[in-house]
Amino acid sequence: EAQVTQNPRYLITVTGKKLTVTCSQNMNHEYMSWYRQDPGLGLRQIYYSMNVEVTDKGDVPEGYKVSRKEKRNFPLILESPSPNQTSLYFCASSQGLAGVSDTQYFGPGTRLTVL
Amino acid sequence: AQKITQTQPGMFVQEKEAVTLDCTYDTSDPSYGLFWYKQPSSGEMIFLIYQGSYDQQNATEGRYSLNFQKARKSANLVISASQLGDSAMYFCAMREYGSEKLVFGKGTKLTVNP
Repeated sequence: EAQVTQNPRYLITVTGKKLTVTCSQNMNHEYMSWYRQDPGLGLRQIYYSMNVEVTDKGDVPEGYKVSRKEKRNFPLILESPSPNQTSLYFCASSQGLAGVSDTQYFGPGTRLTVL
Repeated sequence: AQKITQTQPGMFVQEKEAVTLDCTYDTSDPSYGLFWYKQPSSGEMIFLIYQGSYDQQNATEGRYSLNFQKARKSANLVISASQLGDSAMYFCAMREYGSEKLVFGKGTKLTVNP
C-alpha cells in the first residue's frame, strides 16, 4: 500500500530533551515536507526537501532540523524542544513534478507535547 | 504573496443535502493549483480534489466538485449528498508555479447532522 508513515504517533517529552520524529514514504517520491498544525493557524511548513541531500526552510523552521540522506526518509529533529513546539506534526510527500499539479500526500500525524 | 482565506469557521448540513465550503485566494501568479484536503477527527489529512488555474472545466471527484471562479479568485468545494462520515475539517490550499510551498487556509469544520 502506498503510504507515508510517521513515528511515533504520540510523544510526550520534557523541555530540552532531543527527539526525532521519523517519516518514511514508499512511493519513490522526490519531494518531502514537514508541517505543523496549530489551532486557528492551519498548517504551516517547517522544512521541505526536493531530493536527497537537498533541503530548504519553510515558514517556521526555527528550532527544527531535518536531513534527507535517503530518498524514502525525512526525519524531523528537535534538538532542544520547548513548550511552544507542542503541536500536531505532519510529514508529506509528492512526486516532485514541475508545475502546480504536484499533489502532496500526508502521513497520519505525530502529536507532540513538550512539558 | 500567496494567501488562502476560508471565512466559515464552522458549517452545518443535514444528511443527504449538498453543502458548499468557501475558499478565496490571493495571488498575482497566473499559474497556480488549488487543493482541498479533509481532516477527520482521527487527524489524518486526506487529499480530495485538485483544480489548476488553466483548467477549462471545474474539477469533480465523486461527490466532490470544485466551483472555480477565476475572476473572483474563489475555489469553493461542493459536497453533494452529504454523509455522516463527511463531518470533518476541510482545508483549502494553493501552490503557485515555481514555488515549492503549499499554503493552507485555516479550515472549515463541517458537521453533518442526521
